[in-house]
Amino acid sequence: EDQVTQSPEALRLQEGESSSLNCSYTVSGLRGLFWYRQDPGKGPEFLFTLYSAGEEKEKERLKATLTKKESFLHITAPKPEDSATYLCAVQPTGANSKLTFGKGITLSVRP
Amino acid sequence: DAMVIQNPRYQVTQFGKPVTLSCSQTLNHNVMYWYQQKSSQAPKLLFHYYDKDFNNEADTPDNFQSRRPNTSFCFLDIRSPGLGDAAMYLCATSRVASGTNEQFFGPGTRLTVL
Repeated sequence: EDQVTQSPEALRLQEGESSSLNCSYTVSGLRGLFWYRQDPGKGPEFLFTLYSAGEEKEKERLKATLTKKESFLHITAPKPEDSATYLCAVQPTGANSKLTFGKGITLSVRP
Repeated sequence: DAMVIQNPRYQVTQFGKPVTLSCSQTLNHNVMYWYQQKSSQAPKLLFHYYDKDFNNEADTPDNFQSRRPNTSFCFLDIRSPGLGDAAMYLCATSRVASGTNEQFFGPGTRLTVL
């Protein structure tokens, strides 16, 4: 059974204090790993797709990396507007395969 | 802008009173999904449509039904809502089901059951 575990559950940072969010996964074969941002009371917003180990993608202060067992979302010099819940999801190989989501990491950035 | 729209954003119903949530999309995606998300939990897939083909998750209660009258619209019907059905309901779309499955979500409908 596919599994996604995100850690820590919650993270509080001071503005400018860089850190990383972890997503560990177990899947028979990986087609893609996805990161989403979710603000309170809203739907998830797509951030990145990673396909293979060693791949990296960047967007503003965020950089996502992928190994065969985990993905990291690195946040460099965060700002209060980066406060949100970050969700990780995996899609296994196979026809019509569905996403398995983690529970998310709630990030709070204090000014 | 192409997008996924959900109506209403907030829905209050009474225990046992049927409710319908709607989703529309301007992305022209062929796959549409309904998820249920409770506080601090991962989104839980209820069902999805690949074009007109309906796919129900094994653990989705019979109380939940869905309709997709055309490519752009999809509805979630809850026939007899219980207190445990109070949640955020998310609609998502993607272009194909067999390729990499970037899903794009709507803003969600928050359902309250009194």
